[in-house]
Amino acid sequence: DAGITQSPRHKVTETGTPVTLRCHQTENHRYMYWYRQDPGHGLRLIHYSYGVKDTDKGEVSDGYSVSRSKTEDFLLTLESATSSQTSVYFCAISGLGATSSYEQYFGPGTRLTVT
Amino acid sequence: GQQLNQSPQSMFIQEGEDVSMNCTSSSIFNTWLWYKQDPGEGPVLLIALYKAGELTSNGRLTAQFGITRKDSFLNISASIPSDVGIYFCAGSNTGNQFYFGTGTSLTVIP
Repeated sequence: DAGITQSPRHKVTETGTPVTLRCHQTENHRYMYWYRQDPGHGLRLIHYSYGVKDTDKGEVSDGYSVSRSKTEDFLLTLESATSSQTSVYFCAISGLGATSSYEQYFGPGTRLTVT
Repeated sequence: GQQLNQSPQSMFIQEGEDVSMNCTSSSIFNTWLWYKQDPGEGPVLLIALYKAGELTSNGRLTAQFGITRKDSFLNISASIPSDVGIYFCAGSNTGNQFYFGTGTSLTVIP
């Protein structure tokens, strides 16, 4: 158990509404990531963070923003949700403390449906 | 974006049989990870590989980092019903941005 929680676990929202997903870790990992998982595409990186207030874009970052104000929390925001953002979202962590371990550990996921 | 090719896409095997799957990329990677995902859950890390040619085991699972650095292999020996799930490979050059395969779905028939 890597000590990662995601909230909410399920959400249904309407097109055009803002949505924020939260990832919380309890083990002081340096790096945190947001992925989306869709059939036929596997897992694709949205954004990642390499420290408090330090973030960078991933492969599919359009329409998403992130924030990390504390080591333990990484927020993913959809400013105006679209149906194409219906997906399962996973948070992952790596790099315990100041180390640069590449091994990523995943949270349980958030299933988001945009109607 | 880059996508890794995993094969086979799905496998149906008898309990007790050995399983082999592989992952190929058009780019060279310096890290390979293998994950297993059960329905409704997040991927669970099985094995990490950091060196070309490296062979690493985790119980009945053995993974290899291909010599060309463009492929990796996962073997499961003496399969059991709880091996059912989707297996993903992931490769990276930076350690931060990993590219994932589309998965191999494994069904074990008792």
